[in-house]
Amino acid sequence: KAGVTQTPRYLIKTRGQQVTLSCSPISGHRSVSWYQQTPGQGLQFLFEYFSETQRNKGNFPGRFSGRQFSNSRSEMNVSTLELGDSALYLCASSSGTSGRDEQFFGPGTRLTVL
Amino acid sequence: QKEVEQDPGPLSVPEGAIVSLNCTYSNSAFQYFMWYRQYSRKGPELLMYTYSSGNKEDGRFTAQVDKSSKYISLFIRDSQPSDSATYLCAMSLYYGNNRLAFGKGNQVVVIP
Repeated sequence: KAGVTQTPRYLIKTRGQQVTLSCSPISGHRSVSWYQQTPGQGLQFLFEYFSETQRNKGNFPGRFSGRQFSNSRSEMNVSTLELGDSALYLCASSSGTSGRDEQFFGPGTRLTVL
Repeated sequence: QKEVEQDPGPLSVPEGAIVSLNCTYSNSAFQYFMWYRQYSRKGPELLMYTYSSGNKEDGRFTAQVDKSSKYISLFIRDSQPSDSATYLCAMSLYYGNNRLAFGKGNQVVVIP
């Protein structure tokens, strides 16, 4: 069974630009969550989608948005990039929405903002 | 105060030693407690999962949860160089909520 895939793996952007990251969950998984990982703050929850609906949202500005498609693939978008947005962006997929369902993480997209 | 506190200091131990990691949390609503392992350039992978106070053992790994003290621990016995990784504690709230709150992680290096 293929794992969670994220594209691209590495990305370099400049301040003010926008970026779109993609996540393909494990086949059959309908929940996709996004996290930002930085050395200073660690892993922070961005949002979760289930069946194309945002279920939970973390404490991030509106520049961070996401969506999920009918095939469960998800994208997240960051507009007007800031230097502080440089981070590893991870997505995780899960078969359900219980806090007990294991979440499987992808390898992440490393975003560098110059 | 962060929901989950994990002293992020690195840890170097000789092969065969016991590794002890811990986290504290402030939100008593957390129901499920996990330890993830993250190798360099990889995403976190679930190592241990528990939802009740007490000990859970899996091979060389033991997870402890003390809900009354809001304190969780992970012990790695007979540590191996392959255990060198970052270990993250994580917690989630309740049914219907996949949001995980993470500690900052401990980088563990096991020296042969």
